[in-house]
Amino acid sequence: DADVTQTPRNRITKTGKRIMLECSQTKGHDRMYWYRQDPGLGLQLIYYSFDVKDINKGEISDGYSVSRQAQAKFSLSLESAIPNQTALYFCATSGTRDGEQFFGPGTRLTVL
Amino acid sequence: GEDVEQSLFLSVREGDSSVINCTYTDSSSTYLYWYKQEPGAGLQLLTYIFSNMDMKQDQRLTVLLNKKDKHLSLRIADTQTGDSAIYFCAEKGGGNKLTFGTGTQLKVEL
Repeated sequence: DADVTQTPRNRITKTGKRIMLECSQTKGHDRMYWYRQDPGLGLQLIYYSFDVKDINKGEISDGYSVSRQAQAKFSLSLESAIPNQTALYFCATSGTRDGEQFFGPGTRLTVL
Repeated sequence: GEDVEQSLFLSVREGDSSVINCTYTDSSSTYLYWYKQEPGAGLQLLTYIFSNMDMKQDQRLTVLLNKKDKHLSLRIADTQTGDSAIYFCAEKGGGNKLTFGTGTQLKVEL
């Protein structure tokens, strides 16, 4: 079984809709991250969480919100989706001092 | 601020060596990483190097770090078609945050 899972894997939605992307991990890590990937731009950090009570904005948090429901779960919400939020979204976890991050398989989101 | 740059594309023939380059700007980075992303998948860690090292070798992979020039490279020996993927370098900042490069698309031709 995968250590970091994301649901859904693919989603098509319309402008203005509220969308939630979910991430679960079985690695027992405290630190969790949400990134978006756009072609030619690499990965950009949206939000990160060091533990259930510690949530921080990343480089591009505008238009997004997160919830850390438990150590193992970290969800990303788009309150009112817009077309330029069409991207591939990745969740990651980290638990070691060397900073290695473990990635989920990604969610491809299309906003029409 | 932190900025990590890579060339976007690299094409090599099967059996040749591939060298993927990366430049970074944060001189305080403690760890530097190479991740591989295959089509339709998330990123997987290939290897990493601690900032007090100049070189690290792991089977077909060789990482070179030039701290003076803030330059990191990944050499893949005997490149195979299965090595075709996007390769990201990343540097570790505070709080285990990683700053990723733009990614290099490696295409291996027969």
